[in-house]
Amino acid sequence: KAGVTQTPRYLIKTRGQQVTLSCSPISGHRSVSWYQQTPGQGLQFLFEYFSETQRNKGNFPGRFSGRQFSNSRSEMNVSTLELGDSALYLCASSLGGQGLGAFFGQGTRLTVV
Amino acid sequence: AQTVTQSQPEMSVQEAETVTLSCTYDTSENNYYLFWYKQPPSRQMILVIRQEAYKQQNATENRFSVNFQKAAKSFSLKISDSQLGDTAMYFCAFGRIIQGAQKLVFGQGTRLTINP
Repeated sequence: KAGVTQTPRYLIKTRGQQVTLSCSPISGHRSVSWYQQTPGQGLQFLFEYFSETQRNKGNFPGRFSGRQFSNSRSEMNVSTLELGDSALYLCASSLGGQGLGAFFGQGTRLTVV
Repeated sequence: AQTVTQSQPEMSVQEAETVTLSCTYDTSENNYYLFWYKQPPSRQMILVIRQEAYKQQNATENRFSVNFQKAAKSFSLKISDSQLGDTAMYFCAFGRIIQGAQKLVFGQGTRLTINP
């Protein structure tokens, strides 16, 4: 069974640009969550999607958004990039419902210059 | 809001030794889940072990076991017969399901080094 796939693995963007990251969950998993990992703040929850609906959102500005498609693939978008957005962005998938215990992808390393 | 605290930023042990990583959490909830994740240099977060709060029996997975003390809100991870491949960052996480929605709250992590 294929794992969680995140693309791209690495990304360099300039301040003010926008970026879209992609996550393909494990087959059959309907819940996709996104986390931001930085040395200073650690791992912070961004949002969770289930069956194309955002069910939960963390404390991030509106520049951070996401969506989920009917095949459960998810994208997250960050607009008007700031230097502080440089981070490892991790996607996790799970069955949803009571199936808590996420499987993570290898992440996308975003560098904003 | 839930918080998770890992008081040991770094630990180092010799191969084959036993090591225990500490984790405490704060919550007013009664039903929740606790996890230990491992993040090696490859960056991928790997689920090591999971504990449901309603279960009194401590979870075990091969060389990994937990000591779950619900009243004390403590959730430590014991690694027996440590191996070089256990070298990684270890994160303790708290999870709840609210109306089906899932969210994990992570501690700051413990960097574990296994020395040959």
